[in-house]
Amino acid sequence: NAGVMQNPRHLVRRRGQEARLRCSPMKGHSHVYWYRQLPEEGLKFMVYLQKENIIDESGMPKERFSAEFPKEGPSILRIQQVVRGDSAAYFCASSPPRGRSPTNYNEQFFGPGTRLTVL
Amino acid sequence: SQELEQSPQSLIVQEGKNLTINCTSSKTLYGLYWYKQKYGEGLIFLMMLQKGGEEKSHEKITAKLDEKKQQSSLHITASQPSHAGIYLCGAHPLYNTDKLIFGTGTRLQVFP
Repeated sequence: NAGVMQNPRHLVRRRGQEARLRCSPMKGHSHVYWYRQLPEEGLKFMVYLQKENIIDESGMPKERFSAEFPKEGPSILRIQQVVRGDSAAYFCASSPPRGRSPTNYNEQFFGPGTRLTVL
Repeated sequence: SQELEQSPQSLIVQEGKNLTINCTSSKTLYGLYWYKQKYGEGLIFLMMLQKGGEEKSHEKITAKLDEKKQQSSLHITASQPSHAGIYLCGAHPLYNTDKLIFGTGTRLQVFP
Protein backbone atom coordinates (compact mmCIF):
# COMPACT_ATOMS: atom_id res chain seq x y z
CA ASN A 1 0.00 0.00 0.00
CA ALA A 2 2.02 2.93 -1.30
CA GLY A 3 2.08 6.09 0.73
CA VAL A 4 1.83 9.65 -0.51
CA MET A 5 4.24 10.16 -3.38
CA GLN A 6 5.86 13.40 -4.38
CA ASN A 7 8.14 14.20 -7.23
CA PRO A 8 10.61 15.42 -7.85
CA ARG A 9 12.29 15.07 -4.47
CA HIS A 10 14.70 17.87 -5.31
CA LEU A 11 14.18 20.68 -7.77
CA VAL A 12 16.58 23.44 -8.73
CA ARG A 13 15.33 26.45 -10.62
CA ARG A 14 16.80 29.80 -11.61
CA ARG A 15 14.99 32.99 -10.75
CA GLY A 16 12.13 33.62 -13.14
CA GLN A 17 11.59 30.00 -14.11
CA GLU A 18 8.55 27.91 -13.32
CA ALA A 19 8.43 25.11 -10.75
CA ARG A 20 5.93 22.25 -10.91
CA LEU A 21 5.57 19.97 -7.93
CA ARG A 22 3.53 16.80 -8.12
CA CYS A 23 1.70 14.83 -5.46
CA SER A 24 -0.04 11.48 -5.76
CA PRO A 25 -2.23 10.80 -2.73
CA MET A 26 -2.55 7.48 -1.02
CA LYS A 27 -4.87 4.99 -2.66
CA GLY A 28 -8.46 5.74 -1.73
CA HIS A 29 -7.68 9.29 -0.54
CA SER A 30 -9.53 12.10 -2.25
CA HIS A 31 -8.31 15.05 -0.19
CA VAL A 32 -4.95 16.70 -0.77
CA TYR A 33 -3.20 19.38 1.24
CA TRP A 34 -0.06 21.35 0.47
CA TYR A 35 2.22 22.76 3.14
CA ARG A 36 5.42 24.77 2.94
CA GLN A 37 8.37 24.63 5.31
CA LEU A 38 10.68 27.59 4.97
CA PRO A 39 14.23 27.30 6.33
CA GLU A 40 14.25 27.57 10.13
CA GLU A 41 10.47 27.97 10.19
CA GLY A 42 7.55 25.72 10.95
CA LEU A 43 5.23 23.97 8.55
CA LYS A 44 2.57 26.28 7.13
CA PHE A 45 -0.68 25.31 5.43
CA MET A 46 -1.07 26.50 1.86
CA VAL A 47 -4.06 24.91 0.17
CA TYR A 48 -6.62 22.12 0.50
CA LEU A 49 -8.10 20.47 -2.58
CA GLN A 50 -10.51 17.74 -3.51
CA LYS A 51 -10.84 16.32 -6.98
CA GLU A 52 -11.36 19.25 -9.37
CA ASN A 53 -12.07 21.66 -6.50
CA ILE A 54 -10.06 24.07 -4.41
CA ILE A 55 -11.66 24.02 -0.97
CA ASP A 56 -9.41 26.32 1.03
CA GLU A 57 -6.54 28.37 -0.38
CA SER A 58 -6.20 30.74 2.53
CA GLY A 59 -2.49 29.97 2.90
CA MET A 60 -1.51 30.50 -0.72
CA PRO A 61 0.48 33.57 -1.68
CA LYS A 62 -1.71 35.86 -3.75
CA GLU A 63 0.51 35.85 -6.81
CA ARG A 64 2.53 33.30 -8.78
CA PHE A 65 1.23 30.26 -6.87
CA SER A 66 -1.53 27.97 -8.06
CA ALA A 67 -2.69 24.45 -7.31
CA GLU A 68 -4.89 21.92 -8.98
CA PHE A 69 -6.11 18.39 -8.40
CA PRO A 70 -7.58 17.13 -11.68
CA LYS A 71 -10.01 14.27 -12.05
CA GLU A 72 -7.20 12.10 -13.35
CA GLY A 73 -3.59 12.32 -12.31
CA PRO A 74 -1.64 13.88 -9.47
CA SER A 75 -2.17 17.17 -7.71
CA ILE A 76 0.12 19.91 -9.02
CA LEU A 77 1.51 22.90 -7.15
CA ARG A 78 2.76 25.43 -9.65
CA ILE A 79 5.02 28.37 -8.88
CA GLN A 80 5.57 30.83 -11.67
CA GLN A 81 8.56 33.18 -11.94
CA VAL A 82 10.25 31.75 -8.89
CA VAL A 83 12.25 33.98 -6.56
CA ARG A 84 14.89 33.04 -4.00
CA GLY A 85 12.35 33.38 -1.19
CA ASP A 86 10.43 30.44 -2.66
CA SER A 87 13.26 28.10 -1.69
CA ALA A 88 11.69 25.71 0.80
CA ALA A 89 10.47 22.18 1.35
CA TYR A 90 6.97 21.65 0.00
CA PHE A 91 5.00 18.83 1.54
CA CYS A 92 1.85 17.19 0.32
CA ALA A 93 -0.54 15.29 2.57
CA SER A 94 -3.65 13.29 1.83
CA SER A 95 -6.63 12.05 3.79
CA PRO A 96 -9.54 9.74 3.06
CA PRO A 97 -13.04 10.94 2.14
CA ARG A 98 -15.17 12.29 4.98
CA GLY A 99 -16.75 9.61 7.05
CA ARG A 100 -14.17 6.98 6.20
CA SER A 101 -11.75 7.88 8.91
CA PRO A 102 -11.97 5.81 12.09
CA THR A 103 -11.95 9.03 14.09
CA ASN A 104 -13.93 12.24 13.76
CA TYR A 105 -10.92 13.93 12.23
CA ASN A 106 -9.15 13.60 8.94
CA GLU A 107 -5.73 12.23 9.73
CA GLN A 108 -3.30 13.55 7.20
CA PHE A 109 -0.52 11.38 5.84
CA PHE A 110 2.49 13.22 4.50
CA GLY A 111 4.71 12.61 1.53
CA PRO A 112 8.52 12.91 1.61
CA GLY A 113 8.45 16.47 0.29
CA THR A 114 10.01 18.33 -2.61
CA ARG A 115 12.94 20.54 -1.79
CA LEU A 116 12.97 23.53 -4.07
CA THR A 117 16.13 25.55 -4.44
CA VAL A 118 16.03 28.79 -6.40
CA LEU A 119 19.39 30.04 -7.61
CA SER B 1 -5.57 32.91 15.46
CA GLN B 2 -4.47 29.74 17.18
CA GLU B 3 -0.80 29.15 17.79
CA LEU B 4 1.14 26.16 18.99
CA GLU B 5 4.27 26.62 21.03
CA GLN B 6 6.71 23.79 21.57
CA SER B 7 9.35 23.51 24.22
CA PRO B 8 12.19 23.03 24.33
CA GLN B 9 13.29 24.16 20.88
CA SER B 10 16.16 21.72 20.99
CA LEU B 11 17.23 18.90 23.22
CA ILE B 12 20.46 16.93 23.49
CA VAL B 13 20.33 13.83 25.65
CA GLN B 14 22.50 10.86 26.33
CA GLU B 15 21.31 7.49 25.10
CA GLY B 16 19.17 5.78 27.71
CA LYS B 17 17.83 8.96 29.26
CA ASN B 18 14.16 9.89 29.41
CA LEU B 19 12.88 13.14 27.94
CA THR B 20 9.70 15.15 27.54
CA ILE B 21 8.60 17.57 24.82
CA ASN B 22 5.69 19.94 25.39
CA CYS B 23 3.16 21.51 23.06
CA THR B 24 0.99 24.34 24.33
CA SER B 25 -1.90 26.01 22.57
CA SER B 26 -3.42 29.44 23.01
CA LYS B 27 -6.85 27.86 22.48
CA THR B 28 -8.53 24.49 22.97
CA LEU B 29 -6.95 21.79 20.86
CA TYR B 30 -9.01 19.69 18.49
CA GLY B 31 -7.31 16.62 17.18
CA LEU B 32 -3.74 16.90 18.43
CA TYR B 33 -1.16 15.14 16.27
CA TRP B 34 2.45 14.27 16.88
CA TYR B 35 4.78 13.80 13.94
CA LYS B 36 8.47 13.06 13.65
CA GLN B 37 10.61 14.47 10.87
CA LYS B 38 14.08 13.26 10.05
CA TYR B 39 16.34 15.76 8.37
CA GLY B 40 15.62 15.94 4.67
CA GLU B 41 12.63 13.64 4.89
CA GLY B 42 8.89 13.82 5.29
CA LEU B 43 6.74 13.65 8.37
CA ILE B 44 6.07 10.35 10.05
CA PHE B 45 2.77 10.13 11.89
CA LEU B 46 3.26 9.07 15.51
CA MET B 47 -0.02 9.51 17.37
CA MET B 48 -3.26 11.43 17.49
CA LEU B 49 -5.11 12.49 20.63
CA GLN B 50 -8.69 13.68 20.75
CA LYS B 51 -10.12 13.60 24.24
CA GLY B 52 -9.09 15.49 27.35
CA GLY B 53 -6.96 13.28 29.55
CA GLU B 54 -6.24 10.85 26.73
CA GLU B 55 -2.93 9.01 26.70
CA LYS B 56 -1.46 6.80 24.00
CA SER B 57 1.74 4.81 23.79
CA HIS B 58 3.71 3.27 20.98
CA GLU B 59 6.89 1.42 21.79
CA LYS B 60 8.84 3.80 24.01
CA ILE B 61 6.89 6.93 23.16
CA THR B 62 3.90 8.14 25.19
CA ALA B 63 1.74 11.12 24.36
CA LYS B 64 -0.78 12.80 26.65
CA LEU B 65 -3.41 15.48 26.22
CA ASP B 66 -4.39 17.41 29.34
CA GLU B 67 -7.97 17.64 30.58
CA LYS B 68 -8.39 21.20 29.34
CA LYS B 69 -7.09 20.15 25.91
CA GLN B 70 -4.63 23.00 25.72
CA GLN B 71 -1.41 21.16 26.36
CA SER B 72 0.13 17.93 25.16
CA SER B 73 3.34 16.21 26.11
CA LEU B 74 5.43 13.61 24.34
CA HIS B 75 7.58 11.43 26.56
CA ILE B 76 10.35 9.14 25.35
CA THR B 77 11.64 6.49 27.71
CA ALA B 78 15.20 5.19 27.47
CA SER B 79 16.04 7.24 24.38
CA GLN B 80 18.03 5.74 21.51
CA PRO B 81 19.89 7.32 18.59
CA SER B 82 17.00 6.25 16.36
CA HIS B 83 14.77 8.70 18.23
CA ALA B 84 16.78 11.63 16.93
CA GLY B 85 14.90 14.04 14.67
CA ILE B 86 12.47 16.92 14.78
CA TYR B 87 9.22 16.39 16.65
CA LEU B 88 6.24 18.44 15.52
CA CYS B 89 2.87 18.83 17.16
CA GLY B 90 -0.05 19.77 14.96
CA ALA B 91 -3.70 20.56 15.57
CA HIS B 92 -6.84 21.61 13.74
CA PRO B 93 -7.90 25.22 14.18
CA LEU B 94 -11.22 25.67 15.96
CA TYR B 95 -14.12 24.26 13.90
CA ASN B 96 -11.85 23.56 10.95
CA THR B 97 -10.60 20.04 10.35
CA ASP B 98 -9.50 20.87 6.83
CA LYS B 99 -6.02 21.97 7.77
CA LEU B 100 -3.39 21.57 10.43
CA ILE B 101 -1.38 24.22 12.19
CA PHE B 102 1.99 23.18 13.50
CA GLY B 103 4.32 24.09 16.29
CA THR B 104 7.84 25.22 15.47
CA GLY B 105 9.26 21.83 16.33
CA THR B 106 11.70 20.36 18.84
CA ARG B 107 15.04 19.15 17.54
CA LEU B 108 16.20 16.07 19.43
CA GLN B 109 19.72 14.72 19.37
CA VAL B 110 20.69 11.53 21.18
CA PHE B 111 24.35 10.78 21.67
CA PRO B 112 25.83 7.42 22.69
